[in-house]
Parts: sequence; structure tokens; C-alpha cells
Amino acid sequence: EAGVTQSPTHLIKTRGQQATLRCSPISGHTSVYWYQQALGLGLQFLLWYDEGEERNRGNFPPRFSGRQFPNYSSELNVNALELEDSALYLCASSLGGGDTQYFGPGTRLTVL
Amino acid sequence: AQSVAQPEDQVNVAEGNPLTVKCTYSVSGNPYLFWYVQYPNRGLQFLLKYITGDNLVKGSYGFEAEFNKSQTSFHLKKPSALVSDSALYFCAVRDRDDKIIFGKGTRLHILP
Repeated sequence: EAGVTQSPTHLIKTRGQQATLRCSPISGHTSVYWYQQALGLGLQFLLWYDEGEERNRGNFPPRFSGRQFPNYSSELNVNALELEDSALYLCASSLGGGDTQYFGPGTRLTVL
Repeated sequence: AQSVAQPEDQVNVAEGNPLTVKCTYSVSGNPYLFWYVQYPNRGLQFLLKYITGDNLVKGSYGFEAEFNKSQTSFHLKKPSALVSDSALYFCAVRDRDDKIIFGKGTRLHILP
């Protein structure tokens, strides 16, 4: 069974641009979560989607947004990129809220 | 507020010795607790979880964790450490909104 997949693996942008990151959950999982992991730091919760709806949001500015599609895949959009947005962005999926989360390999975003 | 704490930023253990990575939690109600491991430049991998039942939970790669309600702890253990166990370990707890809260992580170094 395929795990959580994320694309692209690496993404290089310049300050002020927009970035779009994509995630495909494990088949049968309806919940998708996004986390930011800056270098040397822990996971910061960004967003949680379930059944197409945003269920919860972390303490991030509105330029971080996303959506979940009918096939439960998800994308994370970051507008007006800033240097401090450089981080590893991890996506996870689960059967439902609070269930065990399974993580993808991440997208490394570098903002120059 | 629901929270999880990993009091050690780093733990060093000699290969072959037993290892312990500490985690304490604060939740209302019965806790759902998790341990994850992250290898360099990779996503997190699920190790084990406690929901109910036996206080000693066995997981992947020979790891186990002991749930202690009176001490509100969920320490990760392994009887004999391997060099390949060197990684970043995260403890997590499910909060009342079904969101998973991660600790800041503990870096485990196994010395040959």
C-alpha cells in the first residue's frame, strides 16, 4: 500500500513569490495535516483538513492557506514568501481526527 | 491546556546499553499518546501508541514505552541500543480537539 506522497521534493523561490505544495494521503484516509519544521526545531502545526473542510488551524498568518480536494489530496499555498518560511513542510494523513498520523517525506522549501 | 514535554534536547547512550527518552504530558481525560522517529531529511515514522490497556506498549524496531498515569509520563525505552537508532524522537498527545500536539523532540545519539 502506498504511503503519503508529497511533491515537489524541493522547491526554491524568491521572497514575495508564491509556493504551492501538494500531498496525497494514504488510500482510505480522510484527514490531512500540514506541519512546518524549521531547521533544528520541532513541528509546528499549520492546518488540518478532514472531508474537505478545514478543521483546525495553527498560529500562522493568513498567507498560509490550503484546501482539500474531493479525492482527499491536499495542497498548501504560501503567499508573499518571506525568508523565514524556509523549512521542511510535512504532510500527514490519518483515518480521522486524533488517529495515528502517517507522514510523507516532506517538501524542502527554500526562500532566497 | 493540553501539552507534552520532552525535557532532554539530547540523549547520548553507548551501543548495547539500554536507552530511555523521556516524555511527560498534560491532558484532561484519558490520554492518547504517540512516539515518532525522524531520520535525517525524512518525514516522521510512527513507532507506537497508547490508547488504553496494558501500560507497556511495544512498537517498531524493538522500542517500547511505559505509560505511567500517576507520573503523567510516557517514556520510550529499548533494552539494547543500536547505532542505527540515532535519530530525532518526538512524543505526541491527542488534545481534546482531536489535534495531535508534538513535543519539541529529543535527539538520540548512540555511540559506537
